[in-house]
Amino acid sequence: DVKVTQSSRYLVKRTGEKVFLECVQDMDHENMFWYRQDPGLGLRLIYFSYDVKMKEKGDIPEGYSVSREKKERFSLILESASTNQTSMYLCASSWVGGAKDTQYFGPGTRLTVL
Amino acid sequence: RKEVEQDPGPFNVPEGATVAFNCTYSNSASQSFFWYRQDCRKEPKLLMSVYSSGNEDGRFTAQLNRASQYISLLIRDSKLSDSATYLCVVNENSNSGYALNFGKGTSLLVTP
Repeated sequence: DVKVTQSSRYLVKRTGEKVFLECVQDMDHENMFWYRQDPGLGLRLIYFSYDVKMKEKGDIPEGYSVSREKKERFSLILESASTNQTSMYLCASSWVGGAKDTQYFGPGTRLTVL
Repeated sequence: RKEVEQDPGPFNVPEGATVAFNCTYSNSASQSFFWYRQDCRKEPKLLMSVYSSGNEDGRFTAQLNRASQYISLLIRDSKLSDSATYLCVVNENSNSGYALNFGKGTSLLVTP
């Protein structure tokens, strides 16, 4: 079974703090993704990566950065957390293209910024 | 990115009922299509892929109409455990990667 793990299930941070969210997948997937999910807005793509050290902006990259130094690990960084970044953060991974483009999700990190 | 639209519901149906969800997408170049299921406070999980010829998995049937840019999911003989949010998902196969475009989901509540 594919396994995608995230470093924390729940996280509480203060405004202005630097926040690291880590994601690890064990299926040698090329692609990895970070989403946030908010009520009424659905899943929104923040960043994705299709290879080590490669990254692409998604729909809402402002206020976020990412790092992919190893194939299995994709980190989301909030340089200076703000209250409007309170959300559920979901990491996902997939193989490249075609019929194998199903995304597998981690359990999510519920981040609260006070 | 272009839109994937779903009726948010909620759909409240009794056990044993048949229920259908619809989804429209605006990008005619979309390559592949999926239904995901998301339980409350859990991550989305793939329910089934949607093929041009239509496909069935037990009580679940998915249909794709490329001409109308329309996807459907039919659930027969609903169970209490089918209560969840169903996400319509489209792969737009953009040049810069393989990012899926998610609808906002349709909420289903199956009642005894």
